[in-house]
Formats: sequence, structure tokens, C-alpha cells
Amino acid sequence: EPEVTQTPSHQVTQMGQEVILRCVPISNHLYFYWYRQILGQKVEFLVSFYNNEISEKSEIFDDQFSVERPDGSNFTLKIRSTKLEDSAMYFCASSTQSIMNTEAFFGQGTRLTVV
Amino acid sequence: GENVEQHPSTLSVQEGDSAVIKCTYSDSASNYFPWYKQELGKRPQLIIDIRSNVGEKKDQRIAVTLNKTAKHFSLHITETQPEDSAVYFCAASAQAGTALIFGKGTTLSVSS
Repeated sequence: EPEVTQTPSHQVTQMGQEVILRCVPISNHLYFYWYRQILGQKVEFLVSFYNNEISEKSEIFDDQFSVERPDGSNFTLKIRSTKLEDSAMYFCASSTQSIMNTEAFFGQGTRLTVV
Repeated sequence: GENVEQHPSTLSVQEGDSAVIKCTYSDSASNYFPWYKQELGKRPQLIIDIRSNVGEKKDQRIAVTLNKTAKHFSLHITETQPEDSAVYFCAASAQAGTALIFGKGTTLSVSS
């Protein structure tokens, strides 16, 4: 069964450093998402991406965040100048159509620890 | 924007009992309501979803009901089993239709 894959599974970074989280969505999917989950809390929407541009973003997704689809397979989340409060599990997801019409499949997550 | 409230935060039941988790949402324009199950340290996985043109949907031991007038929806699990133990999240689509707004989750514990 096709899966969304994320790398790395765990990333430790110094505060102030830049990190790039990588995702390979399911191959025929057209919509891509990033969510985050602070330990013990709910899953929070960050951004959705379709047709090579951001469709929607939350208040969390400020100027320190950016997303990119550098080639036909990868979808990345960049966090510039990480802060302690960025520590969380980051989930990538993808879907064939808009979330209102079809299921979104989540990756296994990247645990980001900012020290 | 959309806000989703979920209750209870924890729920403990005996094997074979039913479990009900309730959610309310704020944006009357939302029209897609999925439920995700998340086992410890794993990814959220869709277990059932419902759209606003339907009032109830059932899949074996799992059912979801939706009351659009009251803006609430519920997950019902019957004949619970220990492997149902997990965190369950409800969600609602935001108005633009590309984001899911999640509730805070319910930790379900099924004891045998």
C-alpha cells in the first residue's frame, strides 16, 4: 500500500539553526499538507499546498516557515532560526483531491527537538 | 476561523462496552468531518468520516452521527476491544476546504 514517507524520523537541532523536514507524498496525490503536534497536544494545521503554491496557511505558519516542492517527488518544510517552542512532531500528509472530497494520508512524522 | 471542541479528554471502558466521543464545531460552512485514531508514537489514521449531506454513517463497530443544526458530531464504538485503546481525534474542514482543524483528542482505554 502506498505511503507518505518522511525523513528524518528524529531531528535534534540547536536553537537558531535552520532545519529542513522532508516528505515524499504518495505519487498520484496533488494536495500536500504539513501539520504539527506538540507532545500530548492536538494536531495543528500549518499549511496546504496545491499546484505549486500555498493554498491555505494557519497563524502558526509565520515568516520563519516555508514550503517547497523542489522536484516531482519531494515536499519540504523549512524552519529558519528554530525556537525551543518549535519542538514537536511534524506530520506531512497528502491527498488526491481537496481534503473536503477525499482522505488525507499522514506520514509517520518527524520528531523535531530544539535544544 | 474554525474551532473544534472535543469531549471527554479521557474515557475508560470495559471490553465489550460502548464508547461515545463528542465534538462540536463553530464554522457552519464546514462540511467534512473525519475521525482519526492515533496509537502511541504513530501517525494519525482515518477510521471514518462523514459529510454534511449525511446524518449518520456506519462501518462495522464504528459509527458517526452529525447534527448540522447543532453543529456537533459524535463517534460511537460498540463492542470495544483492547486494541481500540488509542487517542481519537475529531476534525472539521476549514472554510477554504484544504485544512483540517482537529479537536484536542480523547484517550480511550479499553480494559479486559
